[in-house]
Amino acid sequence: QSALTQPASVSGSPGQSITISCTGTSSDVGGYDYVSWYQQHPGKAPKLMIYDVSNRPSGVSNRFSGSKSGNTASLTISGLQAEDEADYYCSSYTSTSWVFGGGTKLTVL
Amino acid sequence: QITLKESGPTLVKPTQTLTLTCTFSGFSLSTSGVGVGWIRQPPGKALDWLALIYWDDDKRYSPSLKSRLTITKDTSKNQVVLTMTNMDPVDTATYYCAHLLTATFWYWGQGTLVTVSS
Repeated sequence: QSALTQPASVSGSPGQSITISCTGTSSDVGGYDYVSWYQQHPGKAPKLMIYDVSNRPSGVSNRFSGSKSGNTASLTISGLQAEDEADYYCSSYTSTSWVFGGGTKLTVL
Repeated sequence: QITLKESGPTLVKPTQTLTLTCTFSGFSLSTSGVGVGWIRQPPGKALDWLALIYWDDDKRYSPSLKSRLTITKDTSKNQVVLTMTNMDPVDTATYYCAHLLTATFWYWGQGTLVTVSS
């Protein structure tokens, strides 16, 4: 399976909102509501931020939200904070396996 | 509290077989719906899903690496083992194990860096 497509980088100023897209196919993103998003700071393990397209695990700020339309999922971070600067990865179930996106580096200006 | 920790060699030679162990606590791999997966990340690159084993011993593998991977579990020891044959320098990466429930990787280990070099 091919990796999901994400923009290599996005940036925003503190307080602003940004959106990261994650494009797949009808065999993964478009076919299942099992899209998740992970935040990874340098040298750290990924942390689950969104699951099942739009649900937040306990303890994750409500500034993080997820959505999906067709074969594209999106992660929106509102009220950007310095601590949000990290790499973000989307992932989707594909009926027999999992696939990750190429990752997006978020820079908080 | 769910924790996972990867262990294994930090350096392997090309053509050798890599064996990694994931030791976990806080959940049981005999509970319906639970799985443990392996994901790797080459330096400076993206996450790459490798394999997963479910509570009922159902096993899934990355199509591109299926011929080289084997995943097993020891429920009594709370361990999952991944073997990867015929290692190559391009397999140099941090290898993570992760807890899965309902198609989501909820908790991740700290990762272990494996370097393939002669």
